[in-house]
Amino acid sequence: DTAVSQTPKYLVTQMGNDKSIKCEQNLGHDTMYWYKQDSKKFLKIMFSYNNKELIINETVPNRFSPKSPDKAHLNLHINSLELGDSAVYFCASSYRRTWARNEAFFGQGTRLTVV
Amino acid sequence: GNSVTQMEGPVTLSEEAFLTINCTYTATGYPSLFWYVQYPGEGLQLLLKATKADDKGSNKGFEATYRKETTSFHLEKGSVQVSDSAVYFCALSVPSNTGNQFYFGTGTSLTVIP
Repeated sequence: DTAVSQTPKYLVTQMGNDKSIKCEQNLGHDTMYWYKQDSKKFLKIMFSYNNKELIINETVPNRFSPKSPDKAHLNLHINSLELGDSAVYFCASSYRRTWARNEAFFGQGTRLTVV
Repeated sequence: GNSVTQMEGPVTLSEEAFLTINCTYTATGYPSLFWYVQYPGEGLQLLLKATKADDKGSNKGFEATYRKETTSFHLEKGSVQVSDSAVYFCALSVPSNTGNQFYFGTGTSLTVIP
């Protein structure tokens, strides 16, 4: 039973295309996130959703649009892909709690390569 | 604001050597502290956590103690193995009405050689 699952695992596409990455969690968490990891392994928060509402929208080009149809799903759509979008994208989820079971769970990542 | 600073890598150790990866933080309120590990080609996995001052998190021989006076959460292991080769991330989370927000360090790459 995969807790946080993302699809696809690998995505190779040409510049200018539009693509989507899907994420689902079966942990009953109320908060979901998208992170971008660059080639130096630096993790950057992109979006955070709590109960389907957008909470964090960091400085991300508006070509990136998250969509949360329900608490268990958070998809990422990217328009007009650019070379600089090449990275590994991670979905994560957590409970909104102060101490018990408050850790984030991560998906396996989607390696996006724009050529 | 909230932030995490961790030791830059890469770190290369021989098998059975002692490991320390330093991590310090700044936070408003009362954060929880975490160490995550990322093996090649995989996502981040929780290694250990501590939720209040003086708590010690431990797992798989790794330990870290939440030190509020020094705002630190250093990761240690007494004897590393080749299988410990990975990238290690220190992180903190701060609860809010709109969900926990996580702040990650830059990651420290560890390579253990036989």
